[in-house]
Amino acid sequence: ETGVTQSPTHLIKTRGQQVTLRCSSQSGHNTVSWYQQALGQGPQFIFQYYREEENGRGNFPPRFSGLQFPNYSSELNVNALELDDSALYLCASSLDGGPLGNTIYFGEGSWLTVV
Amino acid sequence: DAKTTQPPSMDCAEGRAANLPCNHSTISGNEYVYWYRQIHSQGPQYIIHGLKNNETNEMASLIITEDRKSSTLILPHATLRDTAVYYCIVRGRNAGNMLTFGGGTRLMVKP
Repeated sequence: ETGVTQSPTHLIKTRGQQVTLRCSSQSGHNTVSWYQQALGQGPQFIFQYYREEENGRGNFPPRFSGLQFPNYSSELNVNALELDDSALYLCASSLDGGPLGNTIYFGEGSWLTVV
Repeated sequence: DAKTTQPPSMDCAEGRAANLPCNHSTISGNEYVYWYRQIHSQGPQYIIHGLKNNETNEMASLIITEDRKSSTLILPHATLRDTAVYYCIVRGRNAGNMLTFGGGTRLMVKP
């Protein structure tokens, strides 16, 4: 148990639709990052939120967006879903913006299937 | 971030030590080495991390060579539940909480 919780655990969407995934970070953690993991691949960094601001982004298009709330929970929004968006979406939390040596904990993920 | 190289797969007998190697020859002086593992369909699980010195916790030991160009994760008494993909990651100075996952090592613990 990492204390990072994600919802929903599984969902199916139709191409072109929009989806919102949610994450509650571990208690006391103020930094949340999101990852996409396609089947058979390692997780790929999408972006990071620190104190409600996005402060790091991977190679993902703008239709991937997010929010972080004052309680440090976070949402990942994906617009105009494509079939290739089908993946496990992982949320990770840590304390502070990323000083080297801190520990990053992952949730169990949300499985998204786009049909 | 420094690139890591791991063998794609390894086998280990149950009850024996599993030694998972990782090469990170371009690591910088202030970059940490992190190890995570991922059991099928679950989120990555943090195992251990270190900078220069060897580290040990309840899950594993991390041995980093003196030149820091390689490291070894040791699971002292592997069990069937240790079957997973193990990722060695070097965390860069400006990476924030971005972890760059490579292909990892698929460890199969056999009875």
